[in-house]
Amino acid sequence: EIVLTQSPATLSSSPGERVTLSCRASQNVSYYLAWYQQKLGQAPRLLIYDASNRASGIPARFRGSGSGTDFTLTISSVEPADFAVYYCQQRRNWPPITFGQGTRLEIK
Amino acid sequence: QVQLEESGGGLVKPGGSLRLSCAATGFIFNDHYFLWIRQAPGKGLEWISYISADVITKRYGDSVRGRFTISRDNTKNSVYLQMNSLRDEDTAVYYCARIGESGYFDLWGRGILVTVSS
Repeated sequence: EIVLTQSPATLSSSPGERVTLSCRASQNVSYYLAWYQQKLGQAPRLLIYDASNRASGIPARFRGSGSGTDFTLTISSVEPADFAVYYCQQRRNWPPITFGQGTRLEIK
Repeated sequence: QVQLEESGGGLVKPGGSLRLSCAATGFIFNDHYFLWIRQAPGKGLEWISYISADVITKRYGDSVRGRFTISRDNTKNSVYLQMNSLRDEDTAVYYCARIGESGYFDLWGRGILVTVSS
């Protein structure tokens, strides 16, 4: 099973700041990694797939990068709507389908 | 309207059973794999099961294998999760999701709460 470790667990930021979230895989997943955003009380939403491709309707301020075992999600200028929990997920080797434990982006 | 809608959740006693349904609308159902993912209160996402478009392939996570059964009816555009021998730790919001062309989960239902408690 591929374990995904996200850091930090919680990230405090102010609107307008640039933030970077990290996801590290226990094995090489190539570029087969996605990022999801989950707002309180809502279902997750696909943001980024195959490490760096934005899903339909996702603003350009969200950027994914990385390959192999180290991945990042960068929000270039955080907006109030971006405060949420972010999960990474790999599809290089499944089942099992695995998610990271999440990073909570909170308002400073 | 492209959407998934779960139903069938609720309160059940330990050892009991429940069947969740997921109704799909607005897209070609038969083209897609579907999966169930759950989220315990205050916790992260846990994959439960998936089913292939042709119904042939079904896989389960370790925590539910042997207790839960996934199925689909391509004539009704619906996916199901039969949950037996329920435990307290199965308490969660259960999401139905679609695997899109990207290979990732591009459409999610709003989720349905299952509470296992005596």
